[in-house]
Amino acid sequence: EAGVTQSPTHLIKTRGQQATLRCSPISGHTSVYWYQQALGLGLQFLLWYDEGEERNRGNFPPRFSGRQFPNYSSELNVNALELEDSALYLCASSLRTQETQYFGPGTRLLVL
Amino acid sequence: LAKTTQPISMDSYEGQEVNITCSHNNIATNDYITWYQQFPSQGPRFIIQGYKTKVTNEVASLFIPADRKSSTLSLPRVSLSDTAVYYCLVGDIRHGGFKTIFGAGTRLFVKA
Repeated sequence: EAGVTQSPTHLIKTRGQQATLRCSPISGHTSVYWYQQALGLGLQFLLWYDEGEERNRGNFPPRFSGRQFPNYSSELNVNALELEDSALYLCASSLRTQETQYFGPGTRLLVL
Repeated sequence: LAKTTQPISMDSYEGQEVNITCSHNNIATNDYITWYQQFPSQGPRFIIQGYKTKVTNEVASLFIPADRKSSTLSLPRVSLSDTAVYYCLVGDIRHGGFKTIFGAGTRLFVKA
């Protein structure tokens, strides 16, 4: 069974630009979660999508947004990039009724 | 959402048993306890989940006392490859209204 996949693996942007990160959940999983992990720090919850809707959001500004498509894949968009947005962005998926989350390998975003 | 407290770091030697304790004093009746493992630049990997008493799988054991205010992850005979960060999470696995909070985790360093 294929795991959670994320693309791209690495992304380099400059300040003010926009970044789009993509995630494909495990087949059958309807919930997708996004996290930010700055270097050496723990995971910070960003967004939770389920059945195409945003279910919950962490303490991040509105320039962090996303969406979930009918096939349950998801995009995370970060507008007006700032240097401190440089981090590993992790996507996880889970079954609707279970908490256990399965993580992808992440996208490492570098903002110059 | 119940908050968790774990030691920041632990050292061990190959072949030893490692026990990592997590405190969650305000755990709710419906909360489950889940542990994840994370290697550098990778997404967290599910290790084990439990509600009470003891749970064992091929990787680890999870001990939960009757009051459920703490839990202990036990890794038998660790190897160098077990060097990672271990996260304890507590939350309600019923669907709807769930937001995951990962703390700083416990950084385990296994020495030869």
